Amino acid sequence: GQQVMQIPQYQHVQEGEDFTTYCNSSTTLSNIQWYKQRPGGHPVFLIQLVKSGEVKKQKRLTFQFGEAKKNSSLHITATQTTDVGTYFCAGAGGGNKLTFGTGTQLKVEL
Amino acid sequence: EPEVTQTPSHQVTQMGQEVILRCVPISNHLYFYWYRQILGQKVEFLVSFYNNEISEKSEIFDDQFSVERPDGSNFTLKIRSTKLEDSAMYFCASSVSRAYNEQFFGPGTRLTVL
Repeated sequence: GQQVMQIPQYQHVQEGEDFTTYCNSSTTLSNIQWYKQRPGGHPVFLIQLVKSGEVKKQKRLTFQFGEAKKNSSLHITATQTTDVGTYFCAGAGGGNKLTFGTGTQLKVEL
Repeated sequence: EPEVTQTPSHQVTQMGQEVILRCVPISNHLYFYWYRQILGQKVEFLVSFYNNEISEKSEIFDDQFSVERPDGSNFTLKIRSTKLEDSAMYFCASSVSRAYNEQFFGPGTRLTVL
């Protein structure tokens, strides 16, 4: 079945440093979504990418969808303590089922 | 802002017992989902539901599981005979449409099977 992997599994940064998480799918995706889960919380939708090579920005967050629609990345510029949480990519293969990635847990230290 | 609600927040049960987890999706959403997350692990898809029937399900969603929309607002997940490995956080989610399926997640029900 479809597998979605993310690296790194954990990332500790100092506040103000940049952060990037990478997502790779074993199969071509129709779209990819990104979710953030705070400790003890539920996944919260951040963005959806649909087109090959698409780049979207939300303030300090930049999302990319690869040309082959099998990989994606999330980059956070100048991290803040409010960015703490686990970031999941989630791929849609054609239906509405989302296959979540393994997640990257981000810790931000002052 | 509309949100997905789930009850109970925590359910403790004995192995072999039946449990029903309840969800109220956002009112104008048409697609409903159940996911589970074992502590510290990724979110796993269980089932999607549209137009009063299952549209997709994973290999986890075996005969022990069933879903129902008993009325116009509730969406339930039943586990007939719980096992220890069913212990997890269960999230309900809903989305507006198939074309744009941003999924709104509920706060989850933590199921503990003893």
